[in-house]
Amino acid sequence: GQQLNQSPQSMFIQEGEDVSMNCTSSSIFNTWLWYKQDPGEGPVLLIALYKAGELTSNGRLTAQFGITRKDSFLNISASIPSDVGIYFCAGRLGVYNQGGKLIFGQGTELSVKP
Amino acid sequence: DTEVTQTPKHLVMGMTNKKSLKCEQHMGHRAMYWYKQKAKKPPELMFVYSYEKLSINESVPSRFSPECPNSSLLNLHLHALQPEDSALYLCASSQGTLGLAGKGDTQYFGPGTRLTVL
Repeated sequence: GQQLNQSPQSMFIQEGEDVSMNCTSSSIFNTWLWYKQDPGEGPVLLIALYKAGELTSNGRLTAQFGITRKDSFLNISASIPSDVGIYFCAGRLGVYNQGGKLIFGQGTELSVKP
Repeated sequence: DTEVTQTPKHLVMGMTNKKSLKCEQHMGHRAMYWYKQKAKKPPELMFVYSYEKLSINESVPSRFSPECPNSSLLNLHLHALQPEDSALYLCASSQGTLGLAGKGDTQYFGPGTRLTVL
């Protein structure tokens, strides 16, 4: 099946540092979504991207939809302890009527040392 | 408001029990989803309902039975589950499922039900 390669798998950083993670695929996507999940909770939508080249910010978070439509990155600036969690990228294939399916990356687990 | 609610928060059941998970959204979304998630893994799609009709069943065993009574509600009926079915069950909703670029297909997740099968 379709796969998204998300990296890194885990990150251990100091509070205040910037964080960068990305997702790549061999397939073309028409939507990229970034979610954060805390333990025992559901994924929360952070940023949604709908156009190639789009750069969108949400507070300290910035994400971009790659110009080739095959990749996306998420940056977090000046990390704080509450940024701890698992970050998932998810994409919608650029094919009409995929029935609502999202393809998920394997997740990036972020740990922040105070 | 992008809220999807799920009940119960936690559920423990034996292999012979019958139980149901419930999901509700009041965003006017016409697509609803069930996912299964194991610890530290991405969600795995189980079912998709579009306009109250089952549109996708990802080869889920028949001991899981979905139901969409109306456009705001989604149930997952459980019967004769196995211990390996223990997981976080997530519900999600979106405006639609057409796959066109735009906000219509963006999925919003509920908090999940932590299911333990003994």
